[in-house]
Amino acid sequence: AQSVTQLDSHVSVSEGTPVLLRCNYSSSYSPSLFWYVQHPNKGLQLLLKYTSAATLVKGINGFEAEFKKSETSFHLTKPSAHMSDAAEYFCVVTSGTGGFKTIFGAGTRLFVKA
Amino acid sequence: DGGITQSPKYLFRKEGQNVTLSCEQNLNHDAMYWYRQDPGQGLRLIYYSQIVNDFQKGDIAEGYSVSREKKESFPLTVTSAQKNPTAFYLCASSIDSARTDTQYFGPGTRLTVL
Repeated sequence: AQSVTQLDSHVSVSEGTPVLLRCNYSSSYSPSLFWYVQHPNKGLQLLLKYTSAATLVKGINGFEAEFKKSETSFHLTKPSAHMSDAAEYFCVVTSGTGGFKTIFGAGTRLFVKA
Repeated sequence: DGGITQSPKYLFRKEGQNVTLSCEQNLNHDAMYWYRQDPGQGLRLIYYSQIVNDFQKGDIAEGYSVSREKKESFPLTVTSAQKNPTAFYLCASSIDSARTDTQYFGPGTRLTVL
């Protein structure tokens, strides 16, 4: 069985401070892990993905995530938040033989204060 | 530009009516997906298709139907049997359904039942 848990439903940071969005996963097979971002009333956009290559993955807009197998975590970070980062972020795990075994986390809404 | 289009952006339906949501992609992807998103929840898979003329039920297929007569098109019909259809519907596609594949999302259709 596989699952994904986003540990915070809401995170609030000040502009220019670091961002940490936490994600834990469970998977019976070697997983692929993704972070997507969704702005209000829009579709999802891929930030980054891990597919069993380097454990530290760099994505768009300065985001990165580190795959830690021992901790079953895939936390998303950014050194300095920008107002445009305010959005909802989804951690996603895919394992097994198909994209149809994709599980989405419940989402973390990021607020950025001026 | 390559991408996924969904129409309409907003859709209103009276109880007892069937409605069809359009999804078109020009990415030459084999796999396509329909998700439902409710407030505070992650995405839930309704149907997916790995190839033309084939589709499979996802986790919440009851009250929905799909067709995949063309590679680029994957329309979703919300039938009167769906008890609570008000939601945000997202269509996605990927090259195929391998676990490493990125899913590309359309902008979504917001369906409201009056």
